[in-house]
Amino acid sequence: GAGVSQSPSNKVTEKGKDVELRCDPISGHTALYWYRQSLGQGLEFLIYFQGNSAPDKSGLPSDRFSAERTGGSVSTLTIQRTQQEDSAVYLCAIKRGSGANVLTFGAGSRLTVL
Amino acid sequence: RKEVEQDPGPFNVPEGATVAFNCTYSNSASQSFFWYRQDCRKEPKLLMSVYSSGNEDGRFTAQLNRASQYISLLIRDSKLSDSATYLCVVNPDKLIFGTGTRLQVFP
Repeated sequence: GAGVSQSPSNKVTEKGKDVELRCDPISGHTALYWYRQSLGQGLEFLIYFQGNSAPDKSGLPSDRFSAERTGGSVSTLTIQRTQQEDSAVYLCAIKRGSGANVLTFGAGSRLTVL
Repeated sequence: RKEVEQDPGPFNVPEGATVAFNCTYSNSASQSFFWYRQDCRKEPKLLMSVYSSGNEDGRFTAQLNRASQYISLLIRDSKLSDSATYLCVVNPDKLIFGTGTRLQVFP
């Protein structure tokens, strides 16, 4: 959606390789979320960043997953040693403005692990 | 028990029908509630917030029942364009999505 740009839009990789997925949000957002959506499934919360607080990593499925947000803006989700079950669409979303709990999503990065 | 639960459907209804979805949540401390719509292979988009007293937006009505910990979405006079997956979202501290209810409106 407008205000959140994700790249790559599609990524095909081999099992065991590392991948980086990027989220470039509009400036002024107050929080940034990563979700994962497997085929035909709902959104699975992974991690969120808010202000300068420590990120809530409670949704990361394993220690192969990590994320960072640099300069309070661009965020990168890294998956190490990818597995076939990591195949999904990875969605980044932001909250805009204080007190607003509405999320604006990016178009997602579709990851396929062969 | 999942934090947010929805009937996955699909709900197949004819044009003009009224259809309702429920969504239950487990965390009684939840404060914010929303319905999102997701079209096939697209990102979710906000449909409407859910207010304590209930709220209406055109053909869509959302309600909250705190005592029973569920929210509902009612769609009147269904259109073909309403075909989508409807996701409920609950916010105790982070935004938790239900798995979605798929609606298919047929002519």
